[in-house]
This record gives sequence, C-alpha cells and structure tokens, in this order.
Amino acid sequence: DQQVKQNSPSLSVQEGRISILNCDYTNSMFDYFLWYKKYPAEGPTFLISISSIKDKNEDGRFTVFLNKSAKHLSLHIVPSQPGDSAVYFCAASARGVGKKLTFGTGTRLTIIP
Amino acid sequence: GAVVSQHPSRVICKSGTSVKIECRSLDFQATTMFWYRQFPKQSLMLMATSNEGSKATYEQGVEKDKFLINHASLTLSTLTVTSAHPEDSSFYICSATDRIFEKLFFGSGTQLSVL
Repeated sequence: DQQVKQNSPSLSVQEGRISILNCDYTNSMFDYFLWYKKYPAEGPTFLISISSIKDKNEDGRFTVFLNKSAKHLSLHIVPSQPGDSAVYFCAASARGVGKKLTFGTGTRLTIIP
Repeated sequence: GAVVSQHPSRVICKSGTSVKIECRSLDFQATTMFWYRQFPKQSLMLMATSNEGSKATYEQGVEKDKFLINHASLTLSTLTVTSAHPEDSSFYICSATDRIFEKLFFGSGTQLSVL
C-alpha cells in the first residue's frame, strides 16, 4: 500500500524553465511533508518542508505547495539549473518532523542545458 | 558538514557472513534513529525505528532476527545484517533525530553487495 505516490517517474525540463514535481498522499494523518534530493549511492539531501497548517513555503528557488483537500503537494524549482538533475523524493510524516517518514517513489529530474 | 556519519559506505561480502553498519550522530544526541533500505530504482522503505536504550520497532515484513539493531548510546546505532544472502543486497540508509524532533538528518548510506 503506497501511501505516498509520485506518479511521474521522470521529468525533463529545459534549463531556466520551471520544474514542477508532484506528489499525492492517501493517509490523512500525515501533517508534515518534506522534499529530498538524492543522487545514486548517497543519502537524501533535505530541500524544503511544509506543515499541514500552511499551504505554501518558499526557500530560494524552491517552493512547496500543499493542497490538503486534494491530498496533493508539489515542488516548484525556478529557474531550473543543470545541478538540479537528480531523483526527488517527497516524504510525509505524522505528528511532527522527527517521526518516521514515508517516502514516495521518486521522480528523476533531468535539466537539459 | 555532515551531522550523521554512516560507515562503511560500501561493503562486499560472501553469502552467509554478517555485516555491521554504523550510524553516528556527530554533534547532537540522537534519541531516535531510523533505518531505511532502498532497492534500485525504488523508494526508501523504512525498516525499523530505534530509540536509545530500548528495543527497536520493526516495520511489517522486516525480520528482526536477521536485521539486528542496537542503539546503545545517544550517538550510535548499528544495523547488523546476519547471515547475509544475495537478496539482502541493497542500499541501507540511517537517519537520526534529536529529542525534540526538530531536525532529521540522513547518513550517506551503505551499499551492500552480497556475493
């Protein structure tokens, strides 16, 4: 039972354009959501997070939007840079950031120079 | 710099041997550590949660006798894959959080290959 889903396994975006990565979840108990960037054979690198009391959080080129009614969140990267090419995972947790995370299936983002 | 150190980064072993992976928090007290496993092109799957000084809580389907977790101190948790088999070959990642669950940090992962 995949509680966190990323329906696009891959995405290609031209450099300088906006990258939009989507994530859907089914567990209504999730109240904290995170996005991680990951390279092969490395641990995930934290990018940005959002709690369920907000619908938007912005940090530099990264913005996360949360639509609780639709159980959907998205990560916007603008402008996209070649160094953004990686696999992106969304993750969700219940009752606080330190609790165990449920990861999505990942989206491989490729930025085309 | 890294706040969670995981060693070794890569290990190759023969089938039937045991492998120990260490996860250390470098500048905070990690009251809770999590162990994940990732198969190629798949998601990170939580294996177990360990709290300092108590027994680990394993996720459904994870054999506790095969994946031994010890969290004896506030800065160190170990995962031992006992009697490893080729199907245990995977990427293992630890993460750690402090007492107030403010931050969650990941280790750099261990690629285990069982021949």
